[in-house]
Parts: sequence; structure tokens; C-alpha cells
Amino acid sequence: QVQLQQWGAGLLKPSETLSLSCAVYGGSFGGYYWNWIRQPPGKGLEWIGEIDRRGNTNYNSSLKSRLTISGDTSNNPFSLTLTSVTAADTAVYYCARGVDGRLLADWGKGTTVIVSS
Amino acid sequence: DIVMTQSPLSLPVTPGEPASISCRSNQSLLHTDGYNYLDWFLQRPGQSPQLLIFWASNRASGVPDRFSGSGSGTDFTLEISRVAAEDVGVYYCMQPLQTPRTFGQGTRVEMK
Repeated sequence: QVQLQQWGAGLLKPSETLSLSCAVYGGSFGGYYWNWIRQPPGKGLEWIGEIDRRGNTNYNSSLKSRLTISGDTSNNPFSLTLTSVTAADTAVYYCARGVDGRLLADWGKGTTVIVSS
Repeated sequence: DIVMTQSPLSLPVTPGEPASISCRSNQSLLHTDGYNYLDWFLQRPGQSPQLLIFWASNRASGVPDRFSGSGSGTDFTLEISRVAAEDVGVYYCMQPLQTPRTFGQGTRVEMK
């Protein structure tokens, strides 16, 4: 059974850099879309960005100036870097894998990130 | 950006009874390939979201057949034929047609 495992620092101070990684076990990495989604406390889901099957990246424009999603399309893991974090970046961050038509078919368990001074 | 609007935002349900959630987009989600690019997700309490329905009406692997999706263009519906206790949680629609991918606000389903 496919598992997406996430890891990264969970407590940051304002202006620091958020770094998360996501790897797949029991399944392949290449040929999929790899997405990051976040959920602020008590709120809904927000799409952050993705790497597509060809290695191209697409970002949410609200985060684009601070965001980098990277990864080799043939190898685990893929990663998210978000610079200059503020309290507004406090959220549970999810990675998700999918294909055309099922973009977010498999999800990680989520990583809680808290930004606080 | 495509705006997704769900209704209702809260839905009390009775076990064994049907339930329905609406999702509307401000742009057509019908692709030239003939598919409507609309997904439904369920996020149970304390869990990650899971894909229920893709391409508006196709059940994801392992999803019970009491869940069904319908609609085309800008108006979509998720129906549960007979609500079960494990169906409580927040339901989200999402459009994967364009970037940025956008979600509805979520509909909280809880037992009466």
C-alpha cells in the first residue's frame, strides 16, 4: 500500500524558512503530480503548488515570491521551501500525489507547522 | 482564479437518510476532453482528506457506492444515498482544471 511520509521542522520564528519533505513508500515517484496543500487551524484547504510529471512547477500566486517546490521526477523525496514565514503560515501542511484526473489521490498524514516568536 | 462555492456549509444528517451537498464554480469545469474537472474530498476528524469522487462522477478506489457525484459545467452535487456514522466530517469540492487549484469552503456533516 502506498504511503506518503512527510517530515520537517514544526516550530519556527517569524522570518525563518519553512522546509518540508515528502517521500513515497510502496509506490513509484516518477510519472505523478506532486502537490502541497495547507490547512490553517480551524479553516479550509489551500493549494500551495505542485510539480507535474515533466518536472514543471506551478505555484499559488499568493505565495509565489516566497515559495520553492523542488524534486527530481524520478527520485524521492520532493520538498517545499517557504521563506520569511509569519504567523499566517501556521497550518497543517500536506503532500499529495496524483495523476491526470485524480490530482490528489494519495495524501500524507500532514505536518503541523507553528510560527511563533 | 476559479472560485468554488459550496452549500450548505453545515449539514445535520440522520443515519440511514440521504444527504446532498452542492458545489458551484464561477467558470465551466468542462474540459475539451469531455470530462468535468471536479473532485470531492472527505476529511474525517483528525485525518487527512481523502479523494471520494473525481471527474465529477467517478468514485475513487474503495469508496462505498452510497456516494455519488453528478453535474456538469458549473453546478455539481455530491449525494450520499444512506448516511452512515463514518460519513461525518468536512466535505470539500475542488477544481483541478486550472492552476491555482481551488477548493470550496467545506461542508461540515454531523449527526443529528
